[in-house]
Amino acid sequence: AQTVTQSQPEMSVQEAETVTLSCTYDTSESDYYLFWYKQPPSRQMILVIRQEAYKQQNATENRFSVNFQKAAKSFSLKISDSQLGDAAMYFCAYWGNEDNNDMRFGAGTRLTVKP
Amino acid sequence: DAGVIQSPRHEVTEMGQEVTLRCKPISGHDYLFWYRQTMMRGLELLIYFNNNVPIDDSGMPEDRFSAKMPNASFSTLKIQPSEPRDSAVYFCASSPGLQHYGYTFGSGTRLTVV
Repeated sequence: AQTVTQSQPEMSVQEAETVTLSCTYDTSESDYYLFWYKQPPSRQMILVIRQEAYKQQNATENRFSVNFQKAAKSFSLKISDSQLGDAAMYFCAYWGNEDNNDMRFGAGTRLTVKP
Repeated sequence: DAGVIQSPRHEVTEMGQEVTLRCKPISGHDYLFWYRQTMMRGLELLIYFNNNVPIDDSGMPEDRFSAKMPNASFSTLKIQPSEPRDSAVYFCASSPGLQHYGYTFGSGTRLTVV
């Protein structure tokens, strides 16, 4: 079964600085999707960014970008120019094509932004 | 579209009582998922539906939990009888079924069983 690992339970960043959140996954599939979700204190799960495994180009969404290393099964999230509103739990997620039709989530990383 | 709508937002109930959580998915989304989130276990998939039919309920903790989707616009998750260990945030999410789109989550129901 596919597993998603976020090895950083907590991270902190100074406002306006850049931070990178790590995510690794285990799979035997070649075609799949990866996602980062943000969960602020309001608890709403918000899709931040997605990456298709067959695309080599790293996805970007404004201040958010990913570093997708398919061979290493690594999918890190970089937040540039961090803002106070970026403070939240961030979940990495995997959605493949085989065996299951549901998304697998990591344990999450709590990001604190210091003013 | 108003997104995925869950109700109630908060629920406090006494042990042994029946609890019903409700979800309205986004119109046109063929897949509906129920997740439970706790500090200890993170996000756990309980059950998911495709075109109103339950596909995988292997995550449902025990017979006290049941879920239905009588039509494309409504689903319920019922716990009977409730126990303190059921206290958690329960999320409903829907998807068009294509991985590209990911999930759209509701705002969750925080359940407290005392």
